[in-house]
Amino acid sequence: SQQGEEDPQALSIQEGENATMNCSYKTSINNLQWYRQNSGRGLVHLILIRSNEREKHSGRLRVTLDTSKKSSSLLITASRAADTASYFCATGINDYKLSFGAGTTVTVRA
Amino acid sequence: DAGVTQSPTHLIKTRGQHVTLRCSPISGHKSVSWYQQVLGQGPQFIFQYYEKEERGRGNFPDRFSARQFPNYSSELNVNALLLGDSALYLCASRTGTSGGTYEQYFGPGTRLTVT
Repeated sequence: SQQGEEDPQALSIQEGENATMNCSYKTSINNLQWYRQNSGRGLVHLILIRSNEREKHSGRLRVTLDTSKKSSSLLITASRAADTASYFCATGINDYKLSFGAGTTVTVRA
Repeated sequence: DAGVTQSPTHLIKTRGQHVTLRCSPISGHKSVSWYQQVLGQGPQFIFQYYEKEERGRGNFPDRFSARQFPNYSSELNVNALLLGDSALYLCASRTGTSGGTYEQYFGPGTRLTVT
């Protein structure tokens, strides 16, 4: 079973617009991570936020975490065509595995 | 530095056959994890190995097994293949044992098709 669920399942935006996707999870976590996957290949780590953090930035990425609501959001600002990909949230619960959601597919139109 | 490498890239097998997938972690990384990603879904955790010992196992049948070698490379073996084993198999490495704490570096994956 998957710990996290991303919303929406798919997102289509114009280049230059912002893209926001959400992740909800079920159990207590140590941290939450966001990954990007292009064309069904390997995943690329984007950002990690620990359970005692509320917001984190990395370049055009902004991640928030609300442990009381068991949810996180990923914002990509000023999107580019190269941002077209699937985005996954992954929760770190114990010391040996990540639990991934089903992902949000983002399409950035030129 | 080279990233995580996996071989082969693609593989086609017949039901009932056996398959071995290989992974070489980033230099200096002692932990290797395996994930299965079925089309349209997120990766599912299969195994984690650290210092040649299994440290975690996901909800997969005994047909799935793995091992880690002294050079920290790893093999994933799947016996008696089923159509449902068709998936992208991802290997990830990291430095420490705490898979939930540190970011993982993923390889490009092996696309397995079972016919």
